[in-house]
Amino acid sequence: EIVMTQSPATLSVSPGERATLSCRASQSVSSNLAWYQQKPGQAPRLLIYGASTRATGIPARFSGSGSGTEFTLTISSLQSEDFAVYCCQQYNNWPLTFGGGTEVEIK
Amino acid sequence: EVQLLESGGGLVQPGESLRLSCAASGFTFSSYGMSWVRQAPGKGLEWVSIISGSGSTTYYADSVKGRFTISRDNSKNTLHLQMTSLRAEDTAVYYCAKKVIAASATHCFDLWGQGTLVTVSS
Repeated sequence: EIVMTQSPATLSVSPGERATLSCRASQSVSSNLAWYQQKPGQAPRLLIYGASTRATGIPARFSGSGSGTEFTLTISSLQSEDFAVYCCQQYNNWPLTFGGGTEVEIK
Repeated sequence: EVQLLESGGGLVQPGESLRLSCAASGFTFSSYGMSWVRQAPGKGLEWVSIISGSGSTTYYADSVKGRFTISRDNSKNTLHLQMTSLRAEDTAVYYCAKKVIAASATHCFDLWGQGTLVTVSS
């Protein structure tokens, strides 16, 4: 199975600053990668799919890039509601696999 | 309103069975592949199973293959997960989720239920 590794585990950022999150696949997943946001006690929310396509209703401050094995989620200017856990998911191969997540916390 | 609503979770003993259901509304259910994803307490997301819109194609994680069965009733807009031979490591919140694009290979999910907790313990 493809292992998804996210870094860092925790990212401390001040409101208004840029956040850059990384996701690495153990083998190529082409552009078949999604990013989710999850807040405590809530279901995940799809942010990005196809590595760079924003899902419906997702603000433009969220952007995704990368292909193959290296991917990045960028939040251009963190808002208070953006402090959460972010995880990546590959859908190039079965089984579908998720990364362990990056927690974005208030600095 | 577009939503998914899970039910059927609870406390069971190891080796027992449980059936989860997910009621869908607000979209053309039969057009979309659906999945179950679980999250153990304090852990990350783990994909469990997926079923095509017609119900003809299914896939499972190795950890549940042979024990869990995914199914759907398109006449009732409902997704099911039959879980047998439950183990302590199956303890998790189980989410049902809708694929973002109908009839595609884009197996990621843009609509999630609120989750139902399954606890396997003696």
